[in-house]
Amino acid sequence: DTAVSQTPKYLVTQMGNDKSIKCEQNLGHDTMYWYKQDSKKFLKIMFSYNNKELIINETVPNRFSPKSPDKAHLNLHINSLELGDSAVYFCASSLAGLQSPNSPLHFGNGTRLTVT
Amino acid sequence: QQQVKQSPQSLIVQKGGISIINCAYENTAFDYFPWYQQFPGKGPALLIAIRPDVSEKKEGRFTISFNKSAKQFSLHIMDSQPGDSATYFCAASKSGYSTLTFGKGTMLLVSP
Repeated sequence: DTAVSQTPKYLVTQMGNDKSIKCEQNLGHDTMYWYKQDSKKFLKIMFSYNNKELIINETVPNRFSPKSPDKAHLNLHINSLELGDSAVYFCASSLAGLQSPNSPLHFGNGTRLTVT
Repeated sequence: QQQVKQSPQSLIVQKGGISIINCAYENTAFDYFPWYQQFPGKGPALLIAIRPDVSEKKEGRFTISFNKSAKQFSLHIMDSQPGDSATYFCAASKSGYSTLTFGKGTMLLVSP
């Protein structure tokens, strides 16, 4: 299946721990994103990579570090987890970062992170 | 600063009724307005999109109406079905290389 897949689907961890979320897309896209969806369902962009280069870095604590080993993969590493980091994290991809009906954002199914 | 304001936050519609969700934007440089649909446990997926050179776009039971002068656009779901129950997000961006700014979402429940 062509898709954006992210693992794990659920992640429960304690405050202070370090965790990673992995994302892979096989759509041939060259731009990948991380979005955070809070408990009120608000979607906010965190990072965007184009061809492995960081192009958008919104106001995100530097405990969050994305890494793109190649244009089909974008991982998110989070250090020193805090209660407020609890959310659903979505990976997404698009073609050339273009916004058009022919190049929509394709989202993964999310990773629900719970920090206790 | 919220650049795309969406209302209502939640909506209950009877089966067969019309669901209407409204959005307003502030940035006049925006020229691409998609709607995304999100089911529980899934990521958002593109439903329908419009550019400001047309005032309306229809795809099946889903219609976007666009009012450029008022900087508003809305999603109409005709003959709403229980399977339409989901969270709907409006969004806006500049065309070309850009990122989407999302509204806060509307949880739609279509009762049988």
